[in-house]
Amino acid sequence: EDQVTQSPEALRLQEGESSSLNCSYTVSGLRGLFWYRQDPGKGPEFLFTLYSAGEEKEKERLKATLTKKESFLHITAPKPEDSATYLCAVLGGGSYIPTFGRGTSLIVHP
Amino acid sequence: NAGVTQTPKFQVLKTGQSMTLQCAQDMNHNSMYWYRQDPGMGLRLIYYSASEGTTDKGEVPNGYNVSRLNKREFSLRLESAAPSQTSVYFCASSQGRNNQPQHFGDGTRLSIL
Repeated sequence: EDQVTQSPEALRLQEGESSSLNCSYTVSGLRGLFWYRQDPGKGPEFLFTLYSAGEEKEKERLKATLTKKESFLHITAPKPEDSATYLCAVLGGGSYIPTFGRGTSLIVHP
Repeated sequence: NAGVTQTPKFQVLKTGQSMTLQCAQDMNHNSMYWYRQDPGMGLRLIYYSASEGTTDKGEVPNGYNVSRLNKREFSLRLESAAPSQTSVYFCASSQGRNNQPQHFGDGTRLSIL
């Protein structure tokens, strides 16, 4: 059974204080790892897909990296508008049903 | 370019009432999904449809039924609503087996009194 654990559950940062969110996973034959951002009252919004260990993707202040056991979402010099819940999901084996983590709630204070 | 559209956005029901949540996507995706999201529980899959004409149970299907009306539309029905079904419901779509990400609607906030 595929498993995804995200840590920490909640993170408070000051504006400009860089940090990382972790997504640890167990999956049989990783076919893709997805990062989403979810704002209050909205659905998850797709950010990145990573397919193999060593791969990295960047978008503005966000950078996602992948190893064989975990993924990190690095946030560089965050701004208050980066406040959201970040979800990680993995797709493995022959399934097309991703397994989601419970998310990390990020608050960035001005 | 609307993506995934869900209606209604909010609904309050009394216990025992029925209703249908509607979902439509305009991305020509093959697969569609219904999730519920509860505090501390994350996203839980209710039903999914791998392709037009097929539906399968997810993790928490009891009390729900679905219909894949055509490639664009996937509806979720509560036949006899219960307070335990109070939740936020999200519809999503994806290309399916091509390991592409899911795209989500903005949800239906459902309260059962």
